[in-house]
Amino acid sequence: AQSVTQLDSQVPVFEEAPVELRCNYSSSVSVYLFWYVQYPNQGLQLLLKYLSGSTLVESINGFEAEFNKSQTSFHLRKPSVHISDTAEYFCAVINFGNEKLTFGTGTRLTIIP
Amino acid sequence: DVKVTQSSRYLVKRTGEKVFLECVQDMDHENMFWYRQDPGLGLRLIYFSYDVKMKEKGDIPEGYSVSREKKERFSLILESASTNQTSMYLCASSFATGVHEQYFGPGTRLTVT
Repeated sequence: AQSVTQLDSQVPVFEEAPVELRCNYSSSVSVYLFWYVQYPNQGLQLLLKYLSGSTLVESINGFEAEFNKSQTSFHLRKPSVHISDTAEYFCAVINFGNEKLTFGTGTRLTIIP
Repeated sequence: DVKVTQSSRYLVKRTGEKVFLECVQDMDHENMFWYRQDPGLGLRLIYFSYDVKMKEKGDIPEGYSVSREKKERFSLILESASTNQTSMYLCASSFATGVHEQYFGPGTRLTVT
């Protein structure tokens, strides 16, 4: 069985400061990893994904995440946040050959002006 | 652009009523999913379907059923709504092969009184 842990339920950050949202997963087989973002009053949107190849993946709006197999982590980072990054962020994992995503409990990112 | 639409953004029903939540996708996706989202619990899979008339239970199917008569439409049914089914319901769809990126609808916030 696969599982995802997001230890931080809320992360307040000053505008233009860096941020890291933590994600750890557990699986007995190889996985695909995703970060989804949910802006206020909207559904989830894919932010970035790791499938294979380079362990560092980037989104179009400045976020990046690094797959670390030895630490079973997929932390999300941004060097300088903006008010528009205020949202809830969900880490998700899927095993090879499986149809079902398993989501973490989410991290609410609040940007302080 | 992939579009997943849900029939209602907000719904208020009484205990014991039969409730239908409708989801339609326009990308010819084989897979469709129903999740519920609750604070502190993240997204939990209720049911999913990988083809017309096919369905599989997710992690929390109790109290729910589904119907998929056409490829583009996936319905979630609450046979007898209860207050503990007050939640945000999210529909998603994906292709069956390749990367299992899921596309989400905007959600239906259901309140059962």
